[in-house]
Amino acid sequence: DAKTTQPTSMDCAEGRAANLPCNHSTISGNEYVYWYRQIHSQGPQYIIHGLKNNETNEMASLIITEDRKSSTLILPHATLRDTAVYYCIVRVWWGNRDDKIIFGKGTRLHILP
Amino acid sequence: ETGVTQTPRHLVMGMTNKKSLKCEQHLGHNAMYWYKQSAKKPLELMFVYSLEERVENNSVPSRFSPECPNSSHLFLHLHTLQPEDSALYLCASSPSKEGGEKLFFGSGTQLSVL
Repeated sequence: DAKTTQPTSMDCAEGRAANLPCNHSTISGNEYVYWYRQIHSQGPQYIIHGLKNNETNEMASLIITEDRKSSTLILPHATLRDTAVYYCIVRVWWGNRDDKIIFGKGTRLHILP
Repeated sequence: ETGVTQTPRHLVMGMTNKKSLKCEQHLGHNAMYWYKQSAKKPLELMFVYSLEERVENNSVPSRFSPECPNSSHLFLHLHTLQPEDSALYLCASSPSKEGGEKLFFGSGTQLSVL
């Protein structure tokens, strides 16, 4: 089972910031938080990852709470092309052959014109 | 363009047919993966190859047979499939199996079994 909990769906107006929450209350000290998204009928696309510090790249920002039990992915200026399913995943950085990357059901984000 | 190419993009097959899905990566990665995504279900990991050795088989029926002839190519051979096997089949690669580097996915093969 996935180690994360996400809302099933969210709406956001075009041009506004989309804030997608993720709960990972059982995260271990050596596990990173990763975000991927999947646009309809395509493969998932990596967005960002982090351990405990906030991270930002050209696609999004990742805010991780101090206790690391939850995080928020922020798309600063959402466009219609950001409509997708967003997956929050936790995994270690260097594990072993038994470690699995498990995708849950994710959050279906609808960007409204 | 992710550097992972899957063919064909769409496939329709009967239950008695034999077909193969192909995946090719041009990223120099050592790990390759097959995922299955049925309608309205999460991605299910099927097989993992690391340095051309199968390191994971998640209780996948024998009618699905993977092959990894080298670190750049991955195949999924299909035979006597069932209608419930209709799904999007996704290939992915990463620099290693153990490391936390990101996965690169192909666009998938949409399979319909009649």
